Amino acid sequence: EDKVVQSPLSLVVHEGDTVTLNCSYEVTNFRSLLWYKQEKKAPTFLFMLTSSGIEKKSGRLSSILDKKELSSILNITATQTGDSAIYLCAAGIQGAQKLVFGQGTRLTINP
Amino acid sequence: GAGVSQSPSNKVTEKGKDVELRCDPISGHTALYWYRQSLGQGLEFLIYFQGNSAPDKSGLPSDRFSAERTGGSVSTLTIQRTQQEDSAVYLCASSTGLAGGNTDTQYFGPGTRLTVL
Repeated sequence: EDKVVQSPLSLVVHEGDTVTLNCSYEVTNFRSLLWYKQEKKAPTFLFMLTSSGIEKKSGRLSSILDKKELSSILNITATQTGDSAIYLCAAGIQGAQKLVFGQGTRLTINP
Repeated sequence: GAGVSQSPSNKVTEKGKDVELRCDPISGHTALYWYRQSLGQGLEFLIYFQGNSAPDKSGLPSDRFSAERTGGSVSTLTIQRTQQEDSAVYLCASSTGLAGGNTDTQYFGPGTRLTVL
């Protein structure tokens, strides 16, 4: 059965800290790894990673995929209270359009 | 429209009643997806539409769940004889459907929170 696991499930840090969120996957016919941010209800797209070792960056957020280790990390530097959200990781599968999601990491940034 | 819209935003129903949830995808997106998110859980895939047909219904949990899409646009998810375990946020997403062999980025709506009493 295809599976995506995120860790930690919950993380509380102070504003200005750097955080690293982890995602590991066990899927047949892996194609891509996606990260979403969910603040209220609608997850918003952050990154899609398909190639191992190539970092994608957007402002203070960055992510990298390690296909050998079947994992990805999402880094957020100089965190702000607006970064508080649930961060979801999902695997895309060859031959299917559905995404397989992890359970999410709830990140809380305290001022 | 500018984004994916869903209605209603909240629905409270009694056990045994039928409910219909609506999704209006981004204009021009041919692919549409339904997911379910139970409290504290990730998203669980339900069904995928390409145009009006559903090539992947593998996530529908029982025959009480059905979905249709008309005109290649709006989709409705129907749950018959609702049970308490159906309580969740039902999220709809759409994508261009043009990614070919690549993963198509999915854009999500705000969801419908369903509560079955």
